[in-house]
Amino acid sequence: QQPVQSPQAVILREGEDAVINCSSSKALYSVHWYRQKHGEAPIFLMILLKGGEQKGHDKISASFNEKKQQSSLYLTASQLSYSGTYFCGTENYGQNFVFGPGTRLSVLP
Amino acid sequence: DTGVSQDPRHKITKRGQNVTFRCDPISEHNRLYWYRQTLGQGPEFLTYFQNEAQLEKSRLLSDRFSAERPKGSFSTLEIQRTEQGDSAMYLCASSRTGTAETQYFGPGTRLLVL
Repeated sequence: QQPVQSPQAVILREGEDAVINCSSSKALYSVHWYRQKHGEAPIFLMILLKGGEQKGHDKISASFNEKKQQSSLYLTASQLSYSGTYFCGTENYGQNFVFGPGTRLSVLP
Repeated sequence: DTGVSQDPRHKITKRGQNVTFRCDPISEHNRLYWYRQTLGQGPEFLTYFQNEAQLEKSRLLSDRFSAERPKGSFSTLEIQRTEQGDSAMYLCASSRTGTAETQYFGPGTRLLVL
């Protein structure tokens, strides 16, 4: 079951914040976040395992609400290098890893 | 650790021809995954191996697709009698064994079927 991501696309000015959401209709074991730039392979950002877990590095962080079966990725003070498509990947209990459709983020100067 | 490598990086073929792609995972990774990605979409799971055993194969994968990992190291993905709809980026990823392990992706093989 493919997770749902919102929004589909977002355009920001450098320095602005953004939130990308990922939700599943089934109970989640873990949520993975990846960023992919045009023509390149996806690059791992972080994994969240436990309900309520929050992780982050630099100005990109994420939360995992196991009860709501959703995760959110927070990008603060966005930089030009943050542009790309962000995918969440979810592991449901007993099912394969599935990627969401992606959220296209464009950061403008 | 040299990362995941894939060969070739690009392949152009005529409809009806067979193609084979190779993936070399990170050396200590037991798991190897194949995905297909079309423009504007997320990677779509095709199959994965744990060591040499193919543990899962997507129901979306037709009989024209076959994958092997004979010695538990590199893997090959073959597409027989290619169709124009097979045109896509084919991504390989590897990870350690276990749930919630990070998947590291290779650069992909871009296939164009004319």
